[in-house]
Amino acid sequence: DIHLTQSPSSLSASVGDKVTMSCRASQNIATYLHWYQHKPGKAPQLLVYAASTLQTGVPSRFTGGGSGTDFTLTINSLQPEDFASYYCQQTYTHPVSFGGGTRLEI
Amino acid sequence: QVHLVQSGGGLVQPGKSVRLSCKASGFNFGSYGMHWVRQAPGKGLEWVAVIAKDGGYGDYADAVKGRLTISRDNSKNILFLDLNNVRTEDTAVYYCAKDRLTGAEPFDLWGQGTMVVVS
Repeated sequence: DIHLTQSPSSLSASVGDKVTMSCRASQNIATYLHWYQHKPGKAPQLLVYAASTLQTGVPSRFTGGGSGTDFTLTINSLQPEDFASYYCQQTYTHPVSFGGGTRLEI
Repeated sequence: QVHLVQSGGGLVQPGKSVRLSCKASGFNFGSYGMHWVRQAPGKGLEWVAVIAKDGGYGDYADAVKGRLTISRDNSKNILFLDLNNVRTEDTAVYYCAKDRLTGAEPFDLWGQGTMVVVS
């Protein structure tokens, strides 16, 4: 099974900041890596798929990158609505797996 | 508008069973693989099960294999998850989710979540 390790587990930032979070896979997953935003009491939302493609409707301040085993999600100019948890997911092979998450706090 | 609306869940005694439902609307339900994902209190997202678009294939996380059953009724656009012989560690919010396309795809539509408490 493929294990995804996200870092940091939590991150404090302010409105207007630029933040970067990481996701490392236990083996090569090419670009089968996706990012979700999850707010308490809400459904998770797909932000970036295939490592770097922005899902329709997602603001351009979100940027995904990487391939192989190392991936990043960058948020430029944080907005109040961006404070949430972020999860990476691999669909390279079954079972599908998620990282442990990065909690972005004000 | 595309939607996944969940129902079911609640308080369940250990060893008992419960069925979760996920009603799809606004898209061709029978053209997409579907999944269940759960989040235990204070924990991250955990993939639980997948079912192929025609219902002919299903797979499960090792932690639930043999106790959970995923199924679908494409004539009614409904996805199901039967939790049998539930354990306290099955306590979680359960989400249904849709494949973006066919293949190794992310989940581009999620239900609102339904809570299962095993106690």
